[in-house]
Amino acid sequence: ILNVEQSPQSLHVQEGDSTNFTCSFPSSNFYALHWYRWETAKSPEALFVMTLNGDEKKKGRISATLNTKEGYSYLYIKGSQPEDSATYLCAFPHQTGANNLFFGTGTRLTVIP
Amino acid sequence: DAGVTQSPTHLIKTRGQQVTLRCSPKSGHDTVSWYQQALGQGPQFIFQYYEEEERQRGNFPDRFSGHQFPNYSSELNVNALLLGDSALYLCASSLAGFLREQYFGPGTRLTVT
Repeated sequence: ILNVEQSPQSLHVQEGDSTNFTCSFPSSNFYALHWYRWETAKSPEALFVMTLNGDEKKKGRISATLNTKEGYSYLYIKGSQPEDSATYLCAFPHQTGANNLFFGTGTRLTVIP
Repeated sequence: DAGVTQSPTHLIKTRGQQVTLRCSPKSGHDTVSWYQQALGQGPQFIFQYYEEEERQRGNFPDRFSGHQFPNYSSELNVNALLLGDSALYLCASSLAGFLREQYFGPGTRLTVT
């Protein structure tokens, strides 16, 4: 079992605010990190797959960075909108070559209009 | 293009009964994974099917079994249901291979009474 921690567990921000949250993981035996967004009553949606130390990915107002040496990834949302309200999950392959994922417990984001 | 579909949406069963959940993968995908999400937890990997065989398995008892059909659709069977099996069951499909993006269905909510 991977010791994956996501923080904070939940947060509320005002519309227009920028925010970020963290996924922490053991730095040894790192293979890849996936970020997912999961809106209520919908399916989890893949945001990014990150593999290399120093990786930065961007999708619209959402971006992510990866530090495999210290074992963390940050997800940033610039100018939060109500439609960004969701649970954001990070996940890792159990082992190299494997396609099954070990998920963190997520950060629940609520954007207040 | 239909994404991943799951049936039924909700299900109520009694302890000791058996249940079958169904998943149709995204068009073109040949690999199906099943996850269990208990309240307050991230999804936990149950098993993965490819070419009609179970390829990887998480830490779940033998009461959990599955099947993949020639059209790549899949079933998850749970025997001798326990109260603790109450959860959201997610199906994810992908192409075979490492770091492939997984597409999730909306899940089946199972309640065991």
